[in-house]
Amino acid sequence: NAGVTQTPKFQVLKTGQSMTLQCAQDMNHEYMSWYRQDPGMGLRLIHYSVGAGITDQGEVPNGYNVSRSTTEDFPLRLLSAAPSQTSVYFCASSYSPGVGTEAFFGQGTRLTVV
Amino acid sequence: KQEVTQIPAALSVPEGENLVLNCSFTDSAIYNLQWFRQDPGKGLTSLLLIQSSQREQTSGRLNASLDKSSGRSTLYIAASQPGDSATYLCAVSGVDSSYKLIFGSGTRLLVRP
Repeated sequence: NAGVTQTPKFQVLKTGQSMTLQCAQDMNHEYMSWYRQDPGMGLRLIHYSVGAGITDQGEVPNGYNVSRSTTEDFPLRLLSAAPSQTSVYFCASSYSPGVGTEAFFGQGTRLTVV
Repeated sequence: KQEVTQIPAALSVPEGENLVLNCSFTDSAIYNLQWFRQDPGKGLTSLLLIQSSQREQTSGRLNASLDKSSGRSTLYIAASQPGDSATYLCAVSGVDSSYKLIFGSGTRLLVRP
């Protein structure tokens, strides 16, 4: 049972480059989301999706793009990387938002923008 | 706006001690409170989920309680072991923002052999 799988685990980008962080889950969860974790800031929501074809912005969406073409996959795109996007990125999934719904997280992608 | 606070920020205890980690939240209108463990450089592992109508949940040596009216949760770890060393995070999902988990900044626990 793989759960939530993120690739790559580590990435170094130059300022201005673009890239896609991959996230896949095999639990048939409708709800998926992306967080970033920064020292002193905790985890903050970037974008989320409540099902295939439906996405919305979280707290810190600027500089990121998402799409959800399948239930399983929720990639996060960095359009033009900036040093401020150096962070650890986590993808999460759950059956649905609401009472009793447990969230599961991937192992994270550690991104450095130089 | 929901805010989640965890105290203490760091804790060091000798092996075998029972310990309590604290989590407080400002808005009692929550769906769930979830405790996670994070090892250095790793992802978040879910430990316990407490629904808003529940008072506590137990898993092995872990017991989490919830007092929604006072905005508090505690994670009790019995007979601590060096393998329990990690950062423990609590997070709540609110009734008015069920799509989002609001995290505390975590308690970094070190259990000394």
